[in-house]
Amino acid sequence: GQQVMQIPQYQHVQEGEDFTTYCNSSTTLSNIQWYKQRPGGHPVFLIQLVKSGEVKKQKRLTFQFGEAKKNSSLHITATQTTDVGTYFCAGVTTDSWGKFQFGAGTQVVVTP
Amino acid sequence: NAGVTQTPKFQVLKTGQSMTLQCAQDMNHNSMYWYRQDPGMGLRLIYYSASEGTTDKGEVPNGYNVSRLNKREFSLRLESAAPSQTSVYFCASSVDPRGWNTEAFFGQGTRLTVV
Repeated sequence: GQQVMQIPQYQHVQEGEDFTTYCNSSTTLSNIQWYKQRPGGHPVFLIQLVKSGEVKKQKRLTFQFGEAKKNSSLHITATQTTDVGTYFCAGVTTDSWGKFQFGAGTQVVVTP
Repeated sequence: NAGVTQTPKFQVLKTGQSMTLQCAQDMNHNSMYWYRQDPGMGLRLIYYSASEGTTDKGEVPNGYNVSRLNKREFSLRLESAAPSQTSVYFCASSVDPRGWNTEAFFGQGTRLTVV
């Protein structure tokens, strides 16, 4: 079955530094979504990628979908304390009908 | 707009007890989902409903039943709770009936402990 892996599991970042989290699927995805969950909160949608090689930016966040549609990345520049939380990717295939497969998440801790 | 509302927010059950987690959305969404979240394991889909009257098993359906009462409400029932069901449960909804082309909106979660 479809498996979505995220690395790293934990990321300690100094405020102002950049970091990247990666998402890899064992199967080709139709699209991928990214969510952010603050400590004690619920997941909140960030973005969806659909096209092969697609790159989208949201201020300091850059999302990329691989050419083969089997991997994705989230790059954050100039990390701020507001970036603290867990970032999840969620992938789906056209034959899985709404059954998004979530990665285990990357927990981000920011030190001032 | 309340979005997705889950009740209760916290619950402690004894092994063998039953309970129903309630979820309602006011966004006129077609698809609704139940996930459980355990440390280090992300969100795992329990059940999914593409529309009123339809439900489908997700990755971890054993020990759970669901009911899509109407377009707004999607409940999750634990018939005989077990300690392995201790988790945080999230309900979510999305507008797309296929569920995979639009963002999901999550409720605040239910923190369930089975002792």
